[in-house]
Amino acid sequence: EVQLVESGGGLVKPGGSLRLSCAASGFSFSNAWMSWVRQAPGKGLEWVGRIKSKTDGGTTDYDAAVRGRFTISRDDSKTTLYLQMNSLKTDDTAVYYCMTFLPVVGSAYWGQGALVTVSS
Amino acid sequence: EIVMTQSPATLSVSPGERATLSCRASQSVRSTLAWYQQKPGQAPRLLIYGASTRATGIPARFSGSGSGTEFTLTISSLQSEDFAVYYCLQFNNWPYTFGQGTKLEIK
Repeated sequence: EVQLVESGGGLVKPGGSLRLSCAASGFSFSNAWMSWVRQAPGKGLEWVGRIKSKTDGGTTDYDAAVRGRFTISRDDSKTTLYLQMNSLKTDDTAVYYCMTFLPVVGSAYWGQGALVTVSS
Repeated sequence: EIVMTQSPATLSVSPGERATLSCRASQSVRSTLAWYQQKPGQAPRLLIYGASTRATGIPARFSGSGSGTEFTLTISSLQSEDFAVYYCLQFNNWPYTFGQGTKLEIK
């Protein structure tokens, strides 16, 4: 069974930092492209960024709203995805989901989400 | 950035009836279009990818069509569990972008 479990959410002051983790199991993590998607309270979905598998270069891409402040990384030995968030703004308040699409299975898998609240 | 526009914003339909949701892209995304369903407090659920391929485990009453800039999600006979918010997503160009969503409500 595919599982994605986020952790690390919480309350942080503007300008602060937070790191989210996403523990993955049930699939070949090292071969998967992984992403972070967020959803502000009562709003729609926004793709934050992605990281390719190392065999596909391991590169990252970010939405313009977070580029230069957020960093996505992965530890294939721990099957864990990370989102390092720096210089946080109130607009970054959202539920953050990790997700992946597995073409072999023909489905996408999402975590339960981690709430990040940026407020003074 | 490709802008995805969904219509209508809210759709009121009776159970058992057909629902048709639309999604338009600001430029061609070929067939790299997905549809997601989201219920309150839950993560999104993939329904359709590649514009018309149902994801694993998705009932046959859900179907997708279109290519280029115009796409449609059709739910042939609405069940009570289908009332939710639906998002289209283009994954042709980075950044991937979602539509603003269509809320499907019970009439």
